[in-house]
Amino acid sequence: QKEVEQNSGPLSVPEGAIASLNCTYSDRGSQSFFWYRQYSGKSPELIMFIYSNGDKEDGRFTAQLNKASQYVSLLIRDSQPSDSATYLCAPGKGNTGKLIFGQGTTLQVKP
Amino acid sequence: SAVISQKPSRDICQRGTSLTIQCQVDSQVTMMFWYRQQPGQSLTLIATANQGSEATYESGFVIDKFPISRPNLTFSTLTVSNMSPEDSSIYLCSVSGAPGYTFGSGTRLTVV
Repeated sequence: QKEVEQNSGPLSVPEGAIASLNCTYSDRGSQSFFWYRQYSGKSPELIMFIYSNGDKEDGRFTAQLNKASQYVSLLIRDSQPSDSATYLCAPGKGNTGKLIFGQGTTLQVKP
Repeated sequence: SAVISQKPSRDICQRGTSLTIQCQVDSQVTMMFWYRQQPGQSLTLIATANQGSEATYESGFVIDKFPISRPNLTFSTLTVSNMSPEDSSIYLCSVSGAPGYTFGSGTRLTVV
């Protein structure tokens, strides 16, 4: 079992729709969870982080965390073509300070 | 969040040679991380570098192949030694901060 699992996609949504990206993780000791966006040829950039169960909203982005199910998701509302990128889920590894990255989900937003 | 200057941005190297990648951070940070991203793949952690102590390597990575220096709280280097074509990847440094972790712009290495 991989430490972090994401559907590689591509996930294709029309412009203006909601994109839902999912991630499961195996380390029950993970306390922090990050979502990164990576455009082709660029380094990852942080878009959301969440520490507690429930939802966290920031603009068009909502992160959802369920520690009991070891599940974290990212919703992107009103998707734009500029959101087309690879989204990486990265739980913190216990209390080590390290991040372990999933394989990423490629999102395509079609005009 | 911290700003990281990473160089070189890219290089083409002959097999059997070594390349040293540098990361300079604009603020003092305790932990620095080095990642590898192979073509079409996600990020794999190579090692964690703390100032004043030996780097801690992840499974599958060894110091002889990827020696790391961390002379102070704002600077680190990663050397890719005795390179082979399989080392062709993007190498990234990262630092922890508030919030989240910031990445350097990456070094695209091609070994021929």
